[in-house]
Amino acid sequence: VQLVESGGGLVKPGGSLRLSCAASGFTFSTYSMNWVRQAPGKGLEWVSSISSSSTYIYYADSVKGRFTISRDNAKNSLYLQVNSLRAEDTAMYYCARIGIDYYYGLDVWGQGTTVTVSS
Amino acid sequence: QSALTQPASVSGSPGQSITISCTGTTSEVGSYNLVSWYQQHPGKAPKLMIYEGTKRPSGVSIRFSGSKSGNTASLTISGLQAEDEADYYCCSYAGSDWVFGGGTKLTVL
Repeated sequence: VQLVESGGGLVKPGGSLRLSCAASGFTFSTYSMNWVRQAPGKGLEWVSSISSSSTYIYYADSVKGRFTISRDNAKNSLYLQVNSLRAEDTAMYYCARIGIDYYYGLDVWGQGTTVTVSS
Repeated sequence: QSALTQPASVSGSPGQSITISCTGTTSEVGSYNLVSWYQQHPGKAPKLMIYEGTKRPSGVSIRFSGSKSGNTASLTISGLQAEDEADYYCCSYAGSDWVFGGGTKLTVL
């Protein structure tokens, strides 16, 4: 059971990136997923959630209108399109599985991908 | 979407017990029995330690326990060990959003 993020990097303010999260070892299409970020030296912050069939999508106020979560169950992949990036979006971005057996616990996490917003 | 309130730091000696509190409101902690706790060592991804407020995932030591009263959840670690030194975060589902606590740094003296 594994999640592997990719797509992070250094981007200028106002720029965009597409973060990806590849799932393996479990039936990805069964699980809702979260993106969670952590600014350097700071705590965890929930970013966005998507249900198993993409029916329900939610965002933190801090990213609403700028970030878009999506998934492709055929490719076992989760995505986060991040636009209009600001310095305060600089963080490690984790994808995390919302547990079913461990009900509403984030029971599997990726290793994270780093987004740095700087001119 | 205000963060849940945790103490910034706690400490204890090996073998002792410590408790970390997590205070929210009736919008999340008080309304949902869906508080979870995560352990994070430096440079590592968080690890689920407690879910549904009191339940332990398979493989998590029985030294870790959770409880809830009203708008406050708590994580207790008994028989402190050196490897317990880490950051701990509470988290509550809130109907559509998720809210994390600010984190607590546990130091094992």
